[in-house]
Amino acid sequence: DSGVTQTPKHLITATGQRVTLRCSPRSGDLSVYWYQQSLDQGLQFLIQYYNGEERAKGNILERFSAQQFPDLHSELNLSSLELGDSALYFCASNRGGGSTDTQYFGPGTRLTVL
Amino acid sequence: GQQLNQSPQSMFIQEGEDVSMNCTSSSIFNTWLWYKQDPGEGPVLLIALYKAGELTSNGRLTAQFGITRKDSFLNISASIPSDVGIYFCAGQRAGSYQLTFGKGTKLSVIP
Repeated sequence: DSGVTQTPKHLITATGQRVTLRCSPRSGDLSVYWYQQSLDQGLQFLIQYYNGEERAKGNILERFSAQQFPDLHSELNLSSLELGDSALYFCASNRGGGSTDTQYFGPGTRLTVL
Repeated sequence: GQQLNQSPQSMFIQEGEDVSMNCTSSSIFNTWLWYKQDPGEGPVLLIALYKAGELTSNGRLTAQFGITRKDSFLNISASIPSDVGIYFCAGQRAGSYQLTFGKGTKLSVIP
């Protein structure tokens, strides 16, 4: 158990809908990262938050957005969903004080768009 | 997005055999990481490498940070059934918090 929690574990929805994925980092971690894992693209970095502020952006679509709240949990919002958005979405966390801090991954949310 | 070239894509080996997999990149990374992912779980860090040429072991696992900083390999000795899973390499550039992942090596161990 990494100490990172993600909810829900599974999510099935229809095209055009909007969903919110939630992540709670390990106790004491200030930084949260979101990754998308699909069969053809592998693990892709989406976005990073540190202590409530966006720090780095990767391959995140404009239809996707995220935020980190004062209690440090984070939410990833996916809107106007398409079939191709079906994937595993992982959250990772670390202290965030240095770039070599180990990132600890949560168990993921499996999103299926029908 | 950019990814690392990880090979092989999959391996079937007999229990007790040694395994070797590697990752290469066209650009330099300052940190190399090896993760293992079991079905339905998130990636778990196995080994982290921070210096070119560094060789680090974790039980039966040994990983090396290539001298050019553009590659890394992972060896597993005397494989056992619980080694089954997908192994990912990941690279991190200096000053960056972002990880770039390989596509994974799927390991199957035949008892």
